[in-house]
Amino acid sequence: QKEVEQNSGPLSVPEGAIASLNCTYSDRGSQSFFWYRQYSGKSPELIMFIYSNGDKEDGRFTAQLNKASQYVSLLIRDSQPSDSATYLCAVYLSGGYQKVTFGIGTKLQVIP
Amino acid sequence: GAGVSQSPSNKVTEKGKDVELRCDPISGHTALYWYRQSLGQGLEFLIYFQGNSAPDKSGLPSDRFSAERTGGSVSTLTIQRTQQEDSAVYLCASSLVPGPTEAFFGQGTRLTVV
Repeated sequence: QKEVEQNSGPLSVPEGAIASLNCTYSDRGSQSFFWYRQYSGKSPELIMFIYSNGDKEDGRFTAQLNKASQYVSLLIRDSQPSDSATYLCAVYLSGGYQKVTFGIGTKLQVIP
Repeated sequence: GAGVSQSPSNKVTEKGKDVELRCDPISGHTALYWYRQSLGQGLEFLIYFQGNSAPDKSGLPSDRFSAERTGGSVSTLTIQRTQQEDSAVYLCASSLVPGPTEAFFGQGTRLTVV
């Protein structure tokens, strides 16, 4: 089982819809969770992080964390064509090497 | 520097040659990661350095790959006897502490093995 799992997509949504991106992780000791966005040909950049169970909202983005289910998601409201990118889920585990582990990313396509 | 700097930005090499890729992390960042990303694929973890601790080399795909980090700052990823399947973008990232803080990525080195 991979440490961080994401569906590679592509996930296609119409402009103005809600895009829901999902991520599961294997280690219950995971403490912190990040969502990065990567435009084609560019490097990943952080868009959201979440540490506690529940929802965290930032503009059109909402991160949701459920530690009991080992599940973290990213919702993008009012999706825009400019949101088309690959979204990478990353998880930080404090034990062992104390490193951040990335999923393979979900490609999102927002159709005008 | 202001960000993570990688060099060269592009490298074309002949099959069988050795290459060195350089990463200069943000000053003061103790954690440094190397990733590989093939065209249209996700991030593949290669190696992780944290301060003076032994690096996590679990992602290195073969013994042709090695990396070092001198003085806790600049890192060099070396690929010996390059193969065509090594062609990819090699990304370096650094973070301030080995904790729940943002990792900043460099712009990557695009390696093409011909």
